[in-house]
This record gives sequence, C-alpha cells and structure tokens, in this order.
Amino acid sequence: DVKVTQSSRYLVKRTGEKVFLECVQDMDHENMFWYRQDPGLGLRLIYFSYDVKMKEKGDIPEGYSVSREKKERFSLILESASTNQTSMYLCASSFLGGTEAFFGQGTRLTVV
Amino acid sequence: AQRVTQPEKLLSVFKGAPVELKCNYSYSGSPELFWYVQYSRQRLQLLLRHISRESIKGFTADLNKGETSFHLKKPFAQEEDSAMYYCALRGIGSARQLTFGSGTQLTVLP
Repeated sequence: DVKVTQSSRYLVKRTGEKVFLECVQDMDHENMFWYRQDPGLGLRLIYFSYDVKMKEKGDIPEGYSVSREKKERFSLILESASTNQTSMYLCASSFLGGTEAFFGQGTRLTVV
Repeated sequence: AQRVTQPEKLLSVFKGAPVELKCNYSYSGSPELFWYVQYSRQRLQLLLRHISRESIKGFTADLNKGETSFHLKKPFAQEEDSAMYYCALRGIGSARQLTFGSGTQLTVLP
C-alpha cells in the first residue's frame, strides 16, 4: 500500500516566518510534487522533482523553494510566509514513467 | 504550455440521472489524461486514465483529440458519487509535469 505522508495536518504560522512542509513516500518513487489547493482554482503546481537534488518550477513557484536531499523526502519551504500563502498544500509522488500519482493527506497552512 | 479547463465549478444532479463532467485541455503533443476524485475528508485519488479505456465505478471518459476534450460520464449517478472531481494532464518529457484543472464539485441529490 503506497504511503505518502505529510508531516503536519494543520499549521499556523506568523507572517515573515520561515516554514517547512515535509513529505515522505515509501514506494521508491522518482517523481515528487508539491501543489496548493484553493477553492475555485483547483490544484496548482508549485514545484516538482524527478530525482534527488533535481527540481523544476511549476506554475506558481514564487515565494517557495524546495529541497530533495533523499529520494523519499521532498520539502517545501516558504522563505518568508505571507497571508496569501494560506492554503491547503498537497504532496504527491509517482514512478518516473508511472501513470498514477499518489497523494498525501494535505497540510492546511494558515499564515496570520 | 499545458492547460486543463473544467468549466463547471458546481454540478448537481438527481440520483439515477446521467452526469457529465466536462474537461478540455491544451497541449502541443499527445498528452496523457486522467480523472482524479476527492471524496469528503479523503485523499485525492486516481479515478481513471484514458490510456486504460476502463470503466471505474460506472464512470467512463473518452479522449477526443479533435475537440481536445476528456469528459467524464456516468449513465446513472449515485449519492456516493458526490465528490470533487479533477481532470489532469501529463505531458511528455523527462520531468512529466502533471497539471490539474480547477475541479468540479458534483452533488448527487436523493
């Protein structure tokens, strides 16, 4: 059973804080993704990675960075959190040539 | 650039009625198309993929390259089909970015 685990279900942070969202998968997947999910906007891709230390910008990378030091772990970093980054963040993983992405349970981040 | 459009944010149908969730895409090549579903308080999960040409939970979707569409259909909706549905596209290339539409919230009324 594929498991994608996000470290927190809920987070509340203050404006200007540095925020780390962690995601771990246990299926040896090459691809990992970070999305934010907002009502009416759907899922928007922030960053993705297809190998250790490799990263590609998605559609909305501004204000975010990522880190992939190990194959199983993909971290999303908000360098200086702002209120417009309040959202649900979803992590996903898949095999490089696979046709299915597996999602984590999501992290609801509130920036106050 | 790849883009997925779902024109309906909300869709309500009565139980037993047919349902169609629309999806159009833009991609300069041969894409892979998917439908993902998120039931209340559950994770987003794959419903079906065009390459499999399968029927899952009574849902089917046909890729129409001429109209660049991948509409999801079910002849008789059930209350348990109520969920958020996302159409997704994956392009070719080593990175294989997976792009989602804005989603359609389907409500099946009793």
